[in-house]
Amino acid sequence: DQQVKQNSPSLSVQEGRISILNCDYTNSMFDYFLWYKKYPAEGPTFLISISSIKDKNEDGRFTVFLNKSAKHLSLHIVPSQPGDSAVYFCAASATTGANNLFFGTGTRLTVIP
Amino acid sequence: NAGVMQNPRHLVRRRGQEARLRCSPMKGHSHVYWYRQLPEEGLKFMVYLQKENIIDESGMPKERFSAEFPKEGPSILRIQQVVRGDSAAYFCASSGAGNEQFFGPGTRLTVL
Repeated sequence: DQQVKQNSPSLSVQEGRISILNCDYTNSMFDYFLWYKKYPAEGPTFLISISSIKDKNEDGRFTVFLNKSAKHLSLHIVPSQPGDSAVYFCAASATTGANNLFFGTGTRLTVIP
Repeated sequence: NAGVMQNPRHLVRRRGQEARLRCSPMKGHSHVYWYRQLPEEGLKFMVYLQKENIIDESGMPKERFSAEFPKEGPSILRIQQVVRGDSAAYFCASSGAGNEQFFGPGTRLTVL
C-alpha cells in the first residue's frame, strides 16, 4: 500500500525555468513532510521540509508547498540548474508515531542546459 | 563532522550465505533507521532503533532479517540465508532531536 505517491516518474525542464515536482499522500496522520535529492550510487540528501502547521517553506531556490485538504505537496525549484538533475523523493512521517519515513517512488528531474 | 557511514558499499553473497551491513550514525545522533530500495522503487522503511532498543520493526521481514544497535559500535543489519530477492540497496539514516533523517551512502547487496 503506497501511502506516498509521486505519479510522474520523470520531468525535463530547461535551465533557468521552474521545476515543479508533485507528491500526494493518503494517510491523514502524516504531519511532517520532507524532500530528498538522490544521485546514483549515493544516499538521499535532505533538501527541505515542512510541518503540517505551515503551507509554505522556502530555502533559497527551493520552496515546498503543502495543501493539507488535498493531501498534496509540491517542490518548486527556480531557477533550475543542470546540477539539480537527480531523482527527487518525497517523504512523510507521523511525528506522534515512530518517526519512520514513508517514501514516494521518486521523480527523475533532468535540467537541460 | 562526518556524516552517516555505511560499510561495505558493495557486498556480494551467494544464496544461503549471511550478509552483515554496518551503519555508524552521525556524531550526536542516537536514532538509527534502516531502509531498503528495490530496483525502480522508492525506499521502504525496515526498522527503527535507538541504543540497545528496537523501537519499530514493522517493516522487517519476519524471517531471516534482524537488526541491532549496541551500546558500543555501529548498528548492524543482518540477513541470514540470503536469497536473490534480497538484492537491493540498503540505506541507513540517523537523526538527533529533530525530524530530519540524514542518510548514509548505502550498501548495495547482490545475491548470486
